[in-house]
Amino acid sequence: AQSVTQLDSHVSVSEGTPVLLRCNYSSSYSPSLFWYVQHPNKGLQLLLKYTSAATLVKGINGFEAEFKKSETSFHLTKPSAHMSDAAEYFCVVSDYSTGGFKTIFGAGTRLFVKA
Amino acid sequence: NAGVMQNPRHLVRRRGQEARLRCSPMKGHSHVYWYRQLPEEGLKFMVYLQKENIIDESGMPKERFSAEFPKEGPSILRIQQVVRGDSAAYFCASSPGGEANQPQHFGDGTRLSIL
Repeated sequence: AQSVTQLDSHVSVSEGTPVLLRCNYSSSYSPSLFWYVQHPNKGLQLLLKYTSAATLVKGINGFEAEFKKSETSFHLTKPSAHMSDAAEYFCVVSDYSTGGFKTIFGAGTRLFVKA
Repeated sequence: NAGVMQNPRHLVRRRGQEARLRCSPMKGHSHVYWYRQLPEEGLKFMVYLQKENIIDESGMPKERFSAEFPKEGPSILRIQQVVRGDSAAYFCASSPGGEANQPQHFGDGTRLSIL
């Protein structure tokens, strides 16, 4: 069965410093992994996705994530935070199971960016 | 190039009334997903539909909730005899096919308030 654990419910960084949002997953087969961002009162926007190609995935707005199978992790990083990055971030795993594929959302990590 | 369109953006109902939430998927997408998000929580899967078919409704409450995606027109999430606990943001997403490696594209949600 699939599961997703976002290890931090809140992360606070100063503008210009690196961002690390942690995500661990479990999956029976070869999962597809996604990161989404949600700004207040908006829907989710896709940041990046991993689908069994390169393990280092680059996304929009300077974000990237590395798929580490041995650690079952898919952490999201950005070298330098911007005020506009303040939002909620969701790690998502999608995989096949009995009856079709399932998409599981993590509980989310709220990113605060201090000036 | 319109994205996923949800309406209304905000819906207020009194206890016992019916709520109808609409979702028009992106052009060319035939798969629709509905999620519920409570304040300060992640997204909880409700139902996955393809045109005229319910593929997976394992996240739908057994009573009062129903969903459809007719051959013509938007997908509808219907909540009968609403109660206070139905207050939440309801998000719709769509994808072109039912593959695990395809990201879902989200609408901006309908915020349902029950008086």
